[in-house]
Amino acid sequence: EAQVTQNPRYLITVTGKKLTVTCSQNMNHEYMSWYRQDPGLGLRQIYYSMNVEVTDKGDVPEGYKVSRKEKRNFPLILESPSPNQTSLYFCASSFTGGPYEQYFGPGTRLTVT
Amino acid sequence: AQSVSQHNHHVILSEAASLELGCNYSYGGTVNLFWYVQYPGQHLQLLLKYFSGDPLVKGIKGFEAEFIKSKFSFNLRKPSVQWSDTAEYFCAVNPYGNNRLAFGKGNQVVVIP
Repeated sequence: EAQVTQNPRYLITVTGKKLTVTCSQNMNHEYMSWYRQDPGLGLRQIYYSMNVEVTDKGDVPEGYKVSRKEKRNFPLILESPSPNQTSLYFCASSFTGGPYEQYFGPGTRLTVT
Repeated sequence: AQSVSQHNHHVILSEAASLELGCNYSYGGTVNLFWYVQYPGQHLQLLLKYFSGDPLVKGIKGFEAEFIKSKFSFNLRKPSVQWSDTAEYFCAVNPYGNNRLAFGKGNQVVVIP
């Protein structure tokens, strides 16, 4: 089944404790992206990747890192999480080299205390 | 700042009523346009898209959207809603040649049986 998977689905952590949210797709998609969803703000793009080893900032990259060492995986790294990073995070991918017809993962709800 | 605007964040309708959700964007030049839907507890999924050609596009589940270039708008419509259309709807804009995707804040639509 074609899908985008994220792990973990729920995470509660403390300020400053490094964490990684994994994202994997099995559709051989080139483009992958991370978004955060906050009430009243919609979805905002954090980082995106056009292909392996090619990543770039979205609208809200501060406090986040990403890497794309393999085509299928695009982990989101929070080196020192803060409470303002409490949010719902979505990973997405699309076949073509851009944010077209994206397939979204189920979301990761992160709480930073 | 360039942005995507969706008004009337909360919409409550009765079944069989018509639905229209507005989307306006402030990007100049050519854009690719999308509507995504998020049903309760489910992933975001693509409802419809516009790249070029006929400005009236049809999507899944009886939805359609009209691109009016002069008004920088891409409004979503459905002539007769059902209870199962209860969801959050997001408009998204990708400026041509740009690899980012900007979302509006979303419309929470509740259809009362």
